[in-house]
Amino acid sequence: DVKVTQSSRYLVKRTGEKVFLECVQDMDHENMFWYRQDPGLGLRLIYFSYDVKMKEKGDIPEGYSVSREKKERFSLILESASTNQTSMYLCASRPAGPSSYEQYFGPGTRLTVT
Amino acid sequence: AQKVTQAQTEISVVEKEDVTLDCVYETRDTTYYLFWYKQPPSGELVFLIRRNSFDEQNEISGRYSWNFQKSTSSFNFTITASQVVDSAVYFCALSEVNSGGSNYKLTFGKGTLLTVNP
Repeated sequence: DVKVTQSSRYLVKRTGEKVFLECVQDMDHENMFWYRQDPGLGLRLIYFSYDVKMKEKGDIPEGYSVSREKKERFSLILESASTNQTSMYLCASRPAGPSSYEQYFGPGTRLTVT
Repeated sequence: AQKVTQAQTEISVVEKEDVTLDCVYETRDTTYYLFWYKQPPSGELVFLIRRNSFDEQNEISGRYSWNFQKSTSSFNFTITASQVVDSAVYFCALSEVNSGGSNYKLTFGKGTLLTVNP
């Protein structure tokens, strides 16, 4: 069974803290993605990685960075958390190949920055 | 640039009613894929269906059916005889085959919150 896991379901951090959100997939997928989901805005792509050590900015990369040292793990880093980064963060993965392939999603991490 | 519009922000129905969720898309490509995902209260998006731009056949899967009309750039989703378990946020998404090499990106609509009341 396909599995994408995220390190925490709920996280509370203080403004200015460095925050790591971890995502692990067990499907040997090449492509991995980080989205944030906000009410009324849907899903917005922050960063994606098409292979180990490869990354590309999505639509809203400001304030975020990522790391992909191993194929199965994709980390989202908030260098200095701010209250406007309070959101639901969703990780996804898919195999490399045609754009017909669907993405598989993790359960999400609801981050609150106070 | 590609765009997906789900005009219905929220829909509320009573159990056993039929309900249709609308999705309209914009793309310059002739080859593309459309998807529907369901996000139940647990949070995880679940893939429901994929359609390519050359296949305009409607599809039915149990109580779910999808109507793809290229002429109106729409890919609507109907739930027949809705149930409480259908309550979720539903997202429509578009993937282009060629978009500067990033052919693995999805553009999502903003989602429709469906509430099915007993």
